[in-house]
Amino acid sequence: EAAVTQSPRNKVTVTGGNVTLSCRQTNSHNYMYWYRQDTGHGLRLIHYSYGAGNLQIGDVPDGYKATRTTQEDFFLLLELASPSQTSLYFCASSDPDGAEQFFGPGTRLTVL
Amino acid sequence: QQQVRQSPQSLTVWEGETAILNCSYEDSTFDYFPWYHQFPGESPALLIAIRPVSNKKEDGRFTIFFNKREKKFSLHIADSQPGDSATYFCAASKGGNQGKLIFGQGTKLSIKP
Repeated sequence: EAAVTQSPRNKVTVTGGNVTLSCRQTNSHNYMYWYRQDTGHGLRLIHYSYGAGNLQIGDVPDGYKATRTTQEDFFLLLELASPSQTSLYFCASSDPDGAEQFFGPGTRLTVL
Repeated sequence: QQQVRQSPQSLTVWEGETAILNCSYEDSTFDYFPWYHQFPGESPALLIAIRPVSNKKEDGRFTIFFNKREKKFSLHIADSQPGDSATYFCAASKGGNQGKLIFGQGTKLSIKP
């Protein structure tokens, strides 16, 4: 069965802090995604990747960087965290046809 | 910006009734329309999906109805059960943006026993 893991599961930081969210998938999928989920907005795509070393800009990229180091690992970086980035973050992976995305358990980030 | 609009924001139906969740889209080049569900405290998971070659897709109690002309699609949940209570997200994508889904805002569905 598809497996996507995220760490940490919960994170509290202060405004201006530096945060890295990690995602690992063992599905042998090429595509990986970072979303944020906020009430009233659904799931919004931050960044995504077609494979190691590749990065694509999503729909809400401002304030976020991402890096795909291997096929398995995808990282989301917040270099100057702001309270507006308080959210639930999901990582997902899929085959190239994108027909089904498999989501990780999520990371709840609070920026004070 | 490409958009997928979803309604209602929340819906309550009695056990045994049919719940109807609605979505509309703007981009006529979208060619894949999935529905995901998310139970409280869990992550989203694919429920059912349709491609526009068909105007209906069934999987047990769950049916997608698709209207290409009006750019609308809906999820019907027949014989609703309390265990169906969850948030449901519609989404859309197109082949040129392989894998990139545009999600609706979500419908929180509650089934009263």
